Parts: sequence; structure tokens; C-alpha cells
Amino acid sequence: GAVVSQHPSRVICKSGTSVKIECRSLDFQATTMFWYRQFPKQSLMLMATSNEGSKATYEQGVEKDKFLINHASLTLSTLTVTSAHPEDSSFYICSARDTQVVADGYTFGSGTRLTVV
Amino acid sequence: GQNIDQPTEMTATEGAIVQINCTYQTSGFNGLFWYQQHAGEAPTFLSYNVLDGLEEKGRFSSFLSRSKGYSYLLLKELQMKDSASYLCAVYDSNYQLIWGAGTKLIIKP
Repeated sequence: GAVVSQHPSRVICKSGTSVKIECRSLDFQATTMFWYRQFPKQSLMLMATSNEGSKATYEQGVEKDKFLINHASLTLSTLTVTSAHPEDSSFYICSARDTQVVADGYTFGSGTRLTVV
Repeated sequence: GQNIDQPTEMTATEGAIVQINCTYQTSGFNGLFWYQQHAGEAPTFLSYNVLDGLEEKGRFSSFLSRSKGYSYLLLKELQMKDSASYLCAVYDSNYQLIWGAGTKLIIKP
């Protein structure tokens, strides 16, 4: 089945620094990838839709200058949290769908636990 | 607006059966998913229903009624490892995945 690799799995950074998270589809091409954020005991919140070769589409309330998304190839999307602050500490998860197989739904990366100190 | 409702938390006993319900109101419908998510981990796919009826997969079954905007996930022979959150999600008319808030299932010995 479809596999999505995400790393790092955990990162601790200082306030004001930037952190890059990578999401790769390993055995399929993903023209579209999705970035989610999940706070403790809450459901997934879609942050943005990453489109290969074009600009990402951000959900309302998500700052595109703070959460930079680059989808440079059919298998790689990156999310950069710029000038991170403690309130950005969260679980970030990427997902992609193999468009050839609708019934498989979205395959998720393993997630990145970001802690900003 | 788009809305998916499921209970916040449920408790069941090891070896028993539990049914987790999900109701949805979305702009269009192209299928409903159930995902399992253990604490601190990403969700994993359990099932996909696009037609009415029951889909059985081992200890887990998923049911869909499109006319009622209703689905349930049935877990049989509960094991302690089934303690997790169960997320209901619906593909709307644009194949955007709309997520429910999840149901935390607690299994007691």
C-alpha cells in the first residue's frame, strides 16, 4: 500500500528559530499533499493543501508567511515553521492520497511533534 | 456548513462489542472513512464506505446509510490495544476530507 514518510518525528527548537518538516510519498506520486496540525485531545485541523509546482492553498486563519510550504516534486512537500513561538508547539501531520486508489483514503506520515521552548 | 458528529468518549470492556456512531452533514458525499489514532501517533486507515450497507473486515465492521447521513464502526472481541481515538471522515463533493473530532475509546479489563 501507499507509504508516506515524514521527518523529523520530534524536534525541540528555541523560540524565534525556524523548523523544516519533510513529507515524502515513497511508492506513489502525490500531486497534492495535506498538512494538518493537531493539538492535544483535539481532532486534526487542516492547515494547507500543498500542490506540486504551484502555490499552496491555506485554510482560513493559517498564516502563509509563517507556515511556508514547498512542493517541489511529485514525492516531496516541506513545511517550514518560521520564527517559531511556544504556541506553535503541536503535532504536525502530513498526508497524501494515491489518486489511483480512492478507497485507500489518505495515507498519513508518522507526524512531527514540535516543541518550541 | 459541514458537520460531522461523533461521541467524545466511550468506555467498553475487554472482550465485549462496541459501536461508535457518526452522523454527517456535508456538501456532497463521496465516501466515508474510519481511522484509528493512538495517542501521539498519526491516524491509520480502517475502512472506507461509499455504498449503503455493512463492510466487514476482521474484528472491525463499518456501516453506512447515505439517506440518513449515518455510519457506525463496530468493534468486536475488544482488546486492550483497541484503546485509541476513532475518527470519522467524509469526502465531500470536491473530495475534500472533512474530519469529525474523534471518539476516544477506553477499554477496561
